Amino acid sequence: DQQVKQNSPSLSVQEGRISILNCDYTNSMFDYFLWYKKYPAEGPTFLISISSIKDKNEDGRFTVFLNKSAKHLSLHIVPSQPGDSAVYFCAATSGTYKYIFGTGTRLKVLA
Amino acid sequence: DTAVSQTPKYLVTQMGNDKSIKCEQNLGHDTMYWYKQDSKKFLKIMFSYNNKELIINETVPNRFSPKSPDKAHLNLHINSLELGDSAVYFCASSQVMGAENEQFFGPGTRLTVL
Repeated sequence: DQQVKQNSPSLSVQEGRISILNCDYTNSMFDYFLWYKKYPAEGPTFLISISSIKDKNEDGRFTVFLNKSAKHLSLHIVPSQPGDSAVYFCAATSGTYKYIFGTGTRLKVLA
Repeated sequence: DTAVSQTPKYLVTQMGNDKSIKCEQNLGHDTMYWYKQDSKKFLKIMFSYNNKELIINETVPNRFSPKSPDKAHLNLHINSLELGDSAVYFCASSQVMGAENEQFFGPGTRLTVL
C-alpha cells in the first residue's frame, strides 16, 4: 500500500518559469512532510519541510503548500534554474523518525 | 568533507555470497538509518539505530544484520545474497529521533547480485 504518491514521474519546465511538483498521501496520521532533492549518484538532500499545523512554508525560491483536506502537498520552485534539474522526493511521517517516501519526480529545467 | 559516507559505492557479487556495506557519519548525530531503494524507486527504511541501539527493524529478512560499533558507524551485513537484494542502499543520520530532525543521506551503495 503506497501511502505517499507522486503520480508524475517526470516534468520539464523552461528556465525562469515555475515548477510545480505534486504529492498525495493517504494516511491522515501524517503530520510532517518533507521534500528531498536527489542528483544522480548522490544521496537525497533535504530541501524544505512543513508541519501539518501550517499550510505554507517558504524558503527562498522554494515554497511548499499543504492541503490537509485533500491530503495533497506541492512544491513550487520559482524561478526554475537548470541546476534544479534533479529527482524530487516527497516524504511524510507521523511524529516519528520513520519517513515514508514517494517514488520521486524527475524535474528537467530547460535552458 | 563528507558528512555521511558509505563504502563501497558499487558492489557486484554472486548469489549466495556474504557482503558488508559500511557507513560513517561525522555530524555527531545520535540516530542512523539504512534505506533500500529498489528497481521501482521506492525508498524504504530498513533499520534505525539510536545511540548504538536498534530501534526499528522493518520486516527485513534475518539475512540482513546491522551492526553499530559506535554512534558514528552503522554497517550493514548481508548473508546469502539473493537476486532480489539488488538495489541501492542508502545510509542516513539525524541529530535525534523525531519527525522534525531532518535526515542526512549518504551517496548510496549500488548492490548488484548476479
